[in-house]
Amino acid sequence: GQNIDQPTEMTATEGAIVQINCTYQTSGFNGLFWYQQHAGEAPTFLSYNVLDGLEEKGRFSSCLSRSKGYSYLLLKELQMKDSASYLCAVSDNTGGFKTIFGAGTRLFVKA
Amino acid sequence: NAGVTQTPKFRVLKTGQSMTLLCAQDMNHEYMYWYRQDPGMGLRLIHYSVGEGTTAKGEVPDGYNVSRLKKQNFLLGLESAAPSQTSVYFCASTDSDNQPQHFGDGTRLSIL
Repeated sequence: GQNIDQPTEMTATEGAIVQINCTYQTSGFNGLFWYQQHAGEAPTFLSYNVLDGLEEKGRFSSCLSRSKGYSYLLLKELQMKDSASYLCAVSDNTGGFKTIFGAGTRLFVKA
Repeated sequence: NAGVTQTPKFRVLKTGQSMTLLCAQDMNHEYMYWYRQDPGMGLRLIHYSVGEGTTAKGEVPDGYNVSRLKKQNFLLGLESAAPSQTSVYFCASTDSDNQPQHFGDGTRLSIL
């Protein structure tokens, strides 16, 4: 089956660094996505990893380890506007082309 | 750039009523998806389509039907609405399964 786990909530301080972890189990792994979703809004794409290693985009980085079924999203120099939910999603090609989403991690950034 | 447009944005239904949610995309994407999002449960896939004229079931298809008669449109139907279908519904589209999905703004549906 497919399963994605990520922490429910995290709190961090403005200017700090925070790491959001995601573990997954899937039989037809075809890539891992991170999305950001502000309250009441649609998810927006942050990053994509299909090979092991680190992908950096400005203040955001994502890392993947396929052998461990693990990814993390790293947010640097936190800003208040980073308060949002962060969704880990796995593309799975078992029996079709589907993306399975985790429940999301709600990040609260405090001053 | 319109991207992905969902209509309506809000709707209140009575139990047993039917309705259709419309999703339209102007990016010529092959893949389209319907999700529902409930508190604490993330996005759950209802149905999806990998091209015009094709549809497939996702994780939670019961009580819903879909059609993809035109490439740019993906319709989600509720034949007999139930309170358990109260949720926020998101439509998304993408070029392929290893490309990011583009989401509409969502439809907030309440069933009394």
